[in-house]
Amino acid sequence: LAKTTQPISMDSYEGQEVNITCSHNNIATNDYITWYQQFPSQGPRFIIQGYKTKVTNEVASLFIPADRKSSTLSLPRVSLSDTAVYYCLVGDSYSGAGSYQLTFGKGTKLSVIP
Amino acid sequence: NAGVTQTPKFQVLKTGQSMTLQCAQDMNHNSMYWYRQDPGMGLRLIYYSASEGTTDKGEVPNGYNVSRLNKREFSLRLESAAPSQTSVYFCASSETNTGTFIADTQYFGPGTRLTVL
Repeated sequence: LAKTTQPISMDSYEGQEVNITCSHNNIATNDYITWYQQFPSQGPRFIIQGYKTKVTNEVASLFIPADRKSSTLSLPRVSLSDTAVYYCLVGDSYSGAGSYQLTFGKGTKLSVIP
Repeated sequence: NAGVTQTPKFQVLKTGQSMTLQCAQDMNHNSMYWYRQDPGMGLRLIYYSASEGTTDKGEVPNGYNVSRLNKREFSLRLESAAPSQTSVYFCASSETNTGTFIADTQYFGPGTRLTVL
């Protein structure tokens, strides 16, 4: 089961670009990298997903180096409403053995400062 | 289109009581999940259901049972609640059941905040 490591917390001022890096040294060949965002008292929400290189959508960009042992979520020009916990997930294919674990970890708590 | 709905939103139980948390999705998804989230922690998977009629244990299944009633509904039951089960419970669903869950976007409900005294 691939395990991820993220910073516990980060602070940023409004208008700055924020980069959150996730380490996943044991990532498997078939695994995707997915990021979720969670606001207080809400369920997590999908942000972006990628396999390699760079992926961009209207919310964020995801950078994945060639060895895929880490990934970086980039949030351009953050605002106060981006204050949330961000989770990095790395896949583990369904083993078919009757047990499957999806690990969110503790995530990175991003605080945006006015 | 309500997405994933959960009932109740809040619940207080006494130790030893039982209750069922309800979850429903209207996106015609095949897979459904139950998680718990404790203060300052990430989400931990309790049970999941890859398709109607199938359920499997996740990381923390002890003390819980689940039922995939039909494609829309996935319930979580606490037979004898314990204070250690005080948590926020999230239900989620995703479209596919091909086996590579992580490549599959999960949609979460608003959560049920459960307190066991």
